[in-house]
Amino acid sequence: NAGVTQTPKFQVLKTGQSMTLQCAQDMNHEYMSWYRQDPGMGLRLIHYSVGAGITDQGEVPNGYNVSRSTTEDFPLRLLSAAPSQTSVYFCASSYTDNQPQHFGDGTRLSIL
Amino acid sequence: GDSVTQMEGPVTLSEEAFLTINCTYTATGYPSLFWYVQYPGEGLQLLLKATKADDKGSNKGFEATYRKETTSFHLEKGSVQVSDSAVYFCASAGGNFNKFYFGSGTKLNVKP
Repeated sequence: NAGVTQTPKFQVLKTGQSMTLQCAQDMNHEYMSWYRQDPGMGLRLIHYSVGAGITDQGEVPNGYNVSRSTTEDFPLRLLSAAPSQTSVYFCASSYTDNQPQHFGDGTRLSIL
Repeated sequence: GDSVTQMEGPVTLSEEAFLTINCTYTATGYPSLFWYVQYPGEGLQLLLKATKADDKGSNKGFEATYRKETTSFHLEKGSVQVSDSAVYFCASAGGNFNKFYFGSGTKLNVKP
């Protein structure tokens, strides 16, 4: 039972590079979301999706894109990495927005 | 908008001491409330939840009661252990928005 799987676990990028953080869940959850976790700031919602084909912005969406072509996958794209995007990124999923979220183990991203 | 506020940390206690971590929320609807725990280097794990007023969530000796009149969901444990050392997050979900809101987290250090 894999749950929520995030890849990669660690990544170092140079300013201006692009990359995609992968997130997959095998629980048939409709609701998926991306958060970033910064010291002293808790978790901040970047983007979320309530089902395949539907995405919306969270609290801090600038510099990130998402898509939801399948129920299982919810990739997060950094278009042009900036040092301010250095953070730990968590993907989460749940049956609905009102149910407990299951979290992946996180991706630690450093932008030089 | 919706938000969650929890007490600043870190909280340092001796083993077997009583724990309280305060959490208050603002919401335009009737959210579900959650406590998550994050151990070092790991993702967030659901600790307990409550979905309506006066509900009490409990797990592993931790408890929290959904108090609508004070908009609070304080986390308590009668006797903490060293293994309880972690960061604890209060969260709300549902209400009028399809989003989860997390508090900033409270780090708990339990000393033997």
